[in-house]
Amino acid sequence: GQQVQQSPASLVLQEGENAELQCNFSSTATRLQWFYQRPGGSLVSLLSNPSGTKHTGRLTSTTVTKERRGSLHISSSQITDSGTYLCAMEYNAGAKLTFGGGTRLTVRP
Amino acid sequence: DPKIIQKPKYLVAVTGSEKILICEQYLGHNAMYWYRQSAKKPLEFMFSYSYQKLMDNQTASSRFQPQSSKKNHLDLQITALKPDDSATYFCASSQGLGTSQNTLYFGAGTRLSVL
Repeated sequence: GQQVQQSPASLVLQEGENAELQCNFSSTATRLQWFYQRPGGSLVSLLSNPSGTKHTGRLTSTTVTKERRGSLHISSSQITDSGTYLCAMEYNAGAKLTFGGGTRLTVRP
Repeated sequence: DPKIIQKPKYLVAVTGSEKILICEQYLGHNAMYWYRQSAKKPLEFMFSYSYQKLMDNQTASSRFQPQSSKKNHLDLQITALKPDDSATYFCASSQGLGTSQNTLYFGAGTRLSVL
């Protein structure tokens, strides 16, 4: 079946450092999406990126569909960036998203 | 103010019982979904609805039954509860079905513990 693998599983940074989160997927997808899950549990959509590079604020998403991988770069990390970042794949323009296990980011002062 | 309301926030149930998880969205969206997140598995898709019609069901067990009484409601009834059902259940919605053109919004979740 379709699988999404994220790495690293956890990441600890000092405030101001950059973060690079990886996502690999098992088959060609129509769209890669990144979500942020707050420590309390709720999820927020960050970026949707079918291919290429997309920026929003301090976030940069890069998707290389042919190589079945994507990444999320967080520049100048802040303490409030702490939480879990989830990569999700949409296949065949359907409504179902397949999620990875997440990268738990901790940003320390 | 939260635009997707899930109730209750926490729920404890005994094995074999039945519970209903409530979800209401006030975003004017036409599509609604249920996802489940357990300690051992990633967030996983359960159901999608569009205009109150079931569009996709990825839940193997018939013990999970979504119920849509209104366009902005999608409740989840779970019968014959098992300890393995313990998870956080997230309701989500989007303007249209699918996320290619639509942003997916999530509720805060209902954390279910089955003893």
